[in-house]
Amino acid sequence: GENVEQHPSTLSVQEGDSAVIKCTYSDSASNYFPWYKQELGKRPQLIIDIRSNVGEKKDQRIAVTLNKTAKHFSLHITETQPEDSAVYFCAASKPPGTYKYIFGTGTRLKVLA
Amino acid sequence: DSGVTQTPKHLITATGQRVTLRCSPRSGDLSVYWYQQSLDQGLQFLIQYYNGEERAKGNILERFSAQQFPDLHSELNLSSLELGDSALYFCASSVSGDTEAFFGQGTRLTVV
Repeated sequence: GENVEQHPSTLSVQEGDSAVIKCTYSDSASNYFPWYKQELGKRPQLIIDIRSNVGEKKDQRIAVTLNKTAKHFSLHITETQPEDSAVYFCAASKPPGTYKYIFGTGTRLKVLA
Repeated sequence: DSGVTQTPKHLITATGQRVTLRCSPRSGDLSVYWYQQSLDQGLQFLIQYYNGEERAKGNILERFSAQQFPDLHSELNLSSLELGDSALYFCASSVSGDTEAFFGQGTRLTVV
């Protein structure tokens, strides 16, 4: 069945450093890979997403890369700030017809000032 | 505001009881997802509906059931509640299965 593995489970970085979170998916039919940020006590919110026809996407300090062959995708946050501290979830989804929206187990990122 | 409305926000009930959680998706969204998030845990996928039909099931207990109505709102029914069912239950909606999912604020269920 579908599965998304996410690493690491916790990550501490110094302010200004970069953070990288990695996910691996099992279903090669997956074509949509979003990343969500969940701040304490709040709902998850989309921060960036990528589709399978694109290898990389960037939005200011955030970037996502996708390796379809290896079924890996990663979130990169540069110049981290204290407000980046949150739990980050990756997800993988498939085209219409199956609709399962599976999340990774989450990464708790702490940015130390 | 994501446009997804969940009620109630908080619910405290006793073991053995039954509760119903309600979700109104964003206008135009046909897909509704339910997730369970226990303390400091991830988002466990429970079930998904698309335009009134069940499309995918996750690790949903037999004591739990859900449905999506013609007006596209969805309800998650939890019965014979146990202490371990205490969690934050999120509903999310999207246009289709491969687009951004918008989350409601969640219903925090406490079973005592």
